[in-house]
Amino acid sequence: DQQVKQNSPSLSVQEGRISILNCDYTNSMFDYFLWYKKYPAEGPTFLISISSIKDKNEDGRFTVFLNKSAKHLSLHIVPSQPGDSAVYFCAASAFKAAGNKLTFGGGTRVLVKP
Amino acid sequence: EPEVTQTPSHQVTQMGQEVILRCVPISNHLYFYWYRQILGQKVEFLVSFYNNEISEKSEIFDDQFSVERPDGSNFTLKIRSTKLEDSAMYFCASSPHRTGSGQPQHFGDGTRLSIL
Repeated sequence: DQQVKQNSPSLSVQEGRISILNCDYTNSMFDYFLWYKKYPAEGPTFLISISSIKDKNEDGRFTVFLNKSAKHLSLHIVPSQPGDSAVYFCAASAFKAAGNKLTFGGGTRVLVKP
Repeated sequence: EPEVTQTPSHQVTQMGQEVILRCVPISNHLYFYWYRQILGQKVEFLVSFYNNEISEKSEIFDDQFSVERPDGSNFTLKIRSTKLEDSAMYFCASSPHRTGSGQPQHFGDGTRLSIL
């Protein structure tokens, strides 16, 4: 199931710089997109989301951009901090779908170097 | 902050045995989900549950799987006769309403299921 894809399995960034994580999707029914952060031995933790009626949503250091025509979203983290080192998952859902499930990308492992 | 709790954190079971994974969703949430992640693979949807019935299930969720909300707080996933390929991390999630703008799913820390 390749409906949500994160093409970069890993990303290394210097502390204080910007981290940019990318995600592509193929299903036109998706209308809500989320980013989750996951530390080892823990469950995914919700970070930020965006509805398909918007193209940008910002929360503190985290901003998500949505390009519907390109079926692409990105997460910007600025400035990056060592505590941001984790695996980041992009997920998508279709509000009208019966079960409202999330479809996940494969994740991007971010390492923030001090 | 309220959280989803899952027990046990690690379950080791012989192949062919039944296993029950337990979850306590966030108290005012109405929608419940199970996902799993096989080592090195994506997080995959198993089943969603609302108003005491299954809303949607994936192809993975065959007759060996069942879910139940036996009381007002617990949400369980049962695998009747486990197979080696059931070894995975199982995540429970809940949301207050249908997943949409402002209504993310919140996840527990998972149960690692190891089938021998």
